Amino acid sequence: EIVMTQSPATLSVSPGERATLSCRASQSVSSNLAWYQQKPGQAPRLLIYFASTRAPAIPARFSGSGSGTEFTLTISSLQSEDFAVYYCQQYNNWPPYTFGQGTKLEIK
Amino acid sequence: QVQLVESGGDLVKPGGSLRLSCAASGFTFSNYYMNWIRQAPGKGLEWVSYINRGGSSIYYADSVKGRFTISRDNAKNSLYLQMSSLTADDTAVYYCARESHGGTRLGNDLDFWGRGTLVTVSS
Repeated sequence: EIVMTQSPATLSVSPGERATLSCRASQSVSSNLAWYQQKPGQAPRLLIYFASTRAPAIPARFSGSGSGTEFTLTISSLQSEDFAVYYCQQYNNWPPYTFGQGTKLEIK
Repeated sequence: QVQLVESGGDLVKPGGSLRLSCAASGFTFSNYYMNWIRQAPGKGLEWVSYINRGGSSIYYADSVKGRFTISRDNAKNSLYLQMSSLTADDTAVYYCARESHGGTRLGNDLDFWGRGTLVTVSS
């Protein structure tokens, strides 16, 4: 089973600033990695797939990069609605699909 | 628009059973692979089970294997999860989620999720 590790667990950033979230896989997942955003009481929403492709209707301030074992989600200029928990998921070696433990992005 | 609506969550005693349903609309359900994902209170996401378009290929997480059964009825646009021998560790919100790419490849991200249904296992 591939273990996904996200860092940091909590990230405090001011609105308008850049946020950088990391996700590491225990072995290569190629580019088969997705990022999700989850707000309290809501279902996760797909942001990025294939490591760097934005899902439909996702603002351009969200970008993903990386391949193999190291991945990054960058939010270029944080808006109030971006404060949430973010998860990465690998879908290269499955079953099982595995998720990172999440990074909580909070207002500084 | 794509909609997934879960139902069937409830309070159940340890050792009990429950059947969850997920009603799909706004897309051709039979064309898509489907999954159940769960989230324990205050915790992260855990993949539970997968089913392909026709139901001939099914996978489970080790934590539920032998106790949970996934199925689908394409004529009713519905996905199911039959759960038995429930324990406190099964307490979670259960989401049904659609895989991207319309069943054209194996291994996918999850592009649409329902709002979830809460299963609480407690005496």
